Amino acid sequence: SAVISQKPSRDICQRGTSLTIQCQVDSQVTMMFWYRQQPGQSLTLIATANQGSEATYESGFVIDKFPISRPNLTFSTLTVSNMSPEDSSIYLCSVEDPSGRINYGYTFGSGTRLTVV
Amino acid sequence: ELKVEQNPLFLSMQEGKNYTIYCNYSTTSDRLYWYRQDPGKSLESLFVLLSNGAVKQEGRLMASLDTKARLSTLHITAAVHDLSATYFCAATNAGNNRKLIWGLGTSLAVNP
Repeated sequence: SAVISQKPSRDICQRGTSLTIQCQVDSQVTMMFWYRQQPGQSLTLIATANQGSEATYESGFVIDKFPISRPNLTFSTLTVSNMSPEDSSIYLCSVEDPSGRINYGYTFGSGTRLTVV
Repeated sequence: ELKVEQNPLFLSMQEGKNYTIYCNYSTTSDRLYWYRQDPGKSLESLFVLLSNGAVKQEGRLMASLDTKARLSTLHITAAVHDLSATYFCAATNAGNNRKLIWGLGTSLAVNP
């Protein structure tokens, strides 16, 4: 299965600032998914990022607040902009198995634990 | 719209006991996933179930899928403390968008 390197693993940020989270995959993948997981909660999909096109955002998430870049098939960034304490959460990126072997499921990055003060 | 319901949400069990976690989904889905998450960690893929009647086993965990009932189960046999974690099921819409719809998770505590 794919291996994802996600950075940073955690950060404490001041309100009003922005943080960019990076995910690097060891294989080329068509779609990358960005999730938010609030403490003790399930995962909420923020957006799906395809290379060469604009990301597709889920209801409740907008590009101005969560801009995404996908410059190539192995890399993506998610920026959390103009942060408030309500943005404190774990952010995760995810990909399907690049070989198309569906039995492997989706692989997740190690997560970014964000605290906004 | 596909929705996924998981129960129970919290489960405390003794070592050596058996138990089942249930995952119901509301509309046709072509794939059902089970994941494990340890506190402060990312998600680990456990099982991918693709067809009606599919059964997969890994150690003390066994997952099954009944597409007619729109139900998947994760059965724990002779639980041990190391199985303490949160378990999520997720399903994808039949189609091409490959978006996972997640259950709320089952927080499992296995006590001595």
